[in-house]
Amino acid sequence: DSGVTQTPKHLITATGQRVTLRCSPRSGDLSVYWYQQSLDQGLQFLIHYYNGEERAKGNILERFSAQQFPDLHSELNLSSLELGDSALYFCASSVDPTGATQYFGPGTRLTVL
Amino acid sequence: DAKTTQPPSMDCAEGRAANLPCNHSTISGNEYVYWYRQIHSQGPQYIIHGLKNNETNEMASLIITEDRKSSTLILPHATLRDTAVYYCIVRVNQGSGNTGKLIFGQGTTLQVKP
Repeated sequence: DSGVTQTPKHLITATGQRVTLRCSPRSGDLSVYWYQQSLDQGLQFLIHYYNGEERAKGNILERFSAQQFPDLHSELNLSSLELGDSALYFCASSVDPTGATQYFGPGTRLTVL
Repeated sequence: DAKTTQPPSMDCAEGRAANLPCNHSTISGNEYVYWYRQIHSQGPQYIIHGLKNNETNEMASLIITEDRKSSTLILPHATLRDTAVYYCIVRVNQGSGNTGKLIFGQGTTLQVKP
């Protein structure tokens, strides 16, 4: 158990819909990272927040957005969903903004039908 | 961040040492070598990291060559639960070159066999 929690574990929805994935970092960690893992793309970095502020963006689609709240939990919002958005979405946390050691949650498996 | 090259797959007998190689010939002086693993669709798990010297922890040992162009992750007594994809990642930890992200390649699929 890494100490990072993600909800829900599984999510099945239809194309065009919007979903929200939630992540709670380890106690004391200020950084939250989101990654997407699909069969054809592997693990891809999406976005990084540190203490409520966006620090870095990867290949995150404009239909996707994220935020980190004052209590440090983070949400990843996916809208206008397409079949290709079906993937595992992982959240990771670290104590500092360098991401020297990241602790990953169990992931949310999103299926878009 | 420097590019890494790993064999796509390896087998290891249970109880024997598993030695996973990684080439990173373009590594810079301020880049660290990290190893993570992912067990069947679970979240990746940090294993170990190092800069120049060999490192050991309760999970594994990391051997980095003197020229730092390659490294080897050693699992001293592999068990069936060590079957996973192992990722070697090279990255800076500080300064303007650091973005916080981890860049995962294809990794090495280690199959530990009874």
